[in-house]
Amino acid sequence: AQKVTQAQTEISVVEKEDVTLDCVYETRDTTYYLFWYKQPPSGELVFLIRRNSFDEQNEISGRYSWNFQKSTSSFNFTITASQVVDSAVYFCALIPNRDDKIIFGKGTRLHILP
Amino acid sequence: DSGVTQTPKHLITATGQRVTLRCSPRSGDLSVYWYQQSLDQGLQFLIQYYNGEERAKGNILERFSAQQFPDLHSELNLSSLELGDSALYFCASSLNLRTDTQYFGPGTRLTVL
Repeated sequence: AQKVTQAQTEISVVEKEDVTLDCVYETRDTTYYLFWYKQPPSGELVFLIRRNSFDEQNEISGRYSWNFQKSTSSFNFTITASQVVDSAVYFCALIPNRDDKIIFGKGTRLHILP
Repeated sequence: DSGVTQTPKHLITATGQRVTLRCSPRSGDLSVYWYQQSLDQGLQFLIQYYNGEERAKGNILERFSAQQFPDLHSELNLSSLELGDSALYFCASSLNLRTDTQYFGPGTRLTVL
């Protein structure tokens, strides 16, 4: 079965704090792709990152970083020095290599308090 | 602006009715994806089309159908509507989900009364 679990339903941090959003996935496929999306209060969905199962290198993009660990089936997302504009719902997602049936986690609602 | 357009932005209709949601992908993108976002079910993949052909099917009800036309725009048809179909319906496009960015439209908010 394919499944994505985002155990943190809602997180609140004060601006400038670092915050990590957890994502744990389940799949029997050896090849798969993982994604993070952002949904700000305005409602649109924004693609943030994609990672394939053969690339365990961590990625950093400005204040955003992602830690992919196959050993724990996790693909965690860290925001460093958070800002109010980071307030959004963040979704982790998974697709197997065989098709594009993307499976989303329930999302984590992140509040950055000024 | 993602380059993906969806019409209408809002739709209010009654149970039992049929509606059509329209999506125009980004120029050059061959794949169109439809998603449903509701409070109950969260964000769910419905269906994908690639260059006019159905490529992948997710949790799409039999009352729902979609197609992608030769100009690559896509339509999602929802029939025999029920209260539970009230949701935000997103369309997205990409060239290849495995290698390229996926761009989302602003969504169509459907309210079934």
